[in-house]
Amino acid sequence: GAVVSQHPSRVICKSGTSVKIECRSLDFQATTMFWYRQFPKKSLMLMATSNEGSKATYEQGVEKDKFLINHASLTLSTLTVTSAHPEDSSFYICSARVASGDQETQYFGPGTRLLVL
Amino acid sequence: AQSVTQLGSHVSVSEGALVLLRCNYSSSVPPYLFWYVQYPNQGLQLLLKYTSAATLVKGINGFEAEFKKSETSFHLTKPSAHMSDAAEYFCAVSTLGGSEKLVFGKGTKLTVNP
Repeated sequence: GAVVSQHPSRVICKSGTSVKIECRSLDFQATTMFWYRQFPKKSLMLMATSNEGSKATYEQGVEKDKFLINHASLTLSTLTVTSAHPEDSSFYICSARVASGDQETQYFGPGTRLLVL
Repeated sequence: AQSVTQLGSHVSVSEGALVLLRCNYSSSVPPYLFWYVQYPNQGLQLLLKYTSAATLVKGINGFEAEFKKSETSFHLTKPSAHMSDAAEYFCAVSTLGGSEKLVFGKGTKLTVNP
């Protein structure tokens, strides 16, 4: 099956610093990747849709200047949390769209746990 | 707009017992429905999906789900629970085959007792 990786798996940073999270599709090309945020004991909330070669589409309420998304290639999307604050601490999960006729679906990465001190 | 309601944030069963996790959806267009499983500190793994073909969908690890339009439901079942099934389960709906935005339910944590 399709494999999606994320790096790092866990990161701890000081308040005010920026953190970059990478999402890679390992054995397929993904024109579209999605970034989700999951709060403790809560469901996943879509933050943005990342399209290769174009600007990301952000969901309502998500600060685009706070969460910078870059999808520079068909196998890599990055999420940068700028000037991170403790309230940004969360579990961030990406997914990549696999397009194959009527078998389109999303495959998820293992997630990145961010802790901002 | 689409939405998903998972009844029961926690379900506890004995090993070998039937697993039933409930999911009801709301959609103004024919939906595509999914069940994902999440183990602690991991991402989501697709269990199965309904894409308007057979209403009874078989997935991995012995799970299956039945799409019932009249009840707007997509409940997940497994005849006999294993200890390894203990995890968080999410039901999700999409307007397309999963290539577009997924709307997730709040999840159901399954505990399997020995």
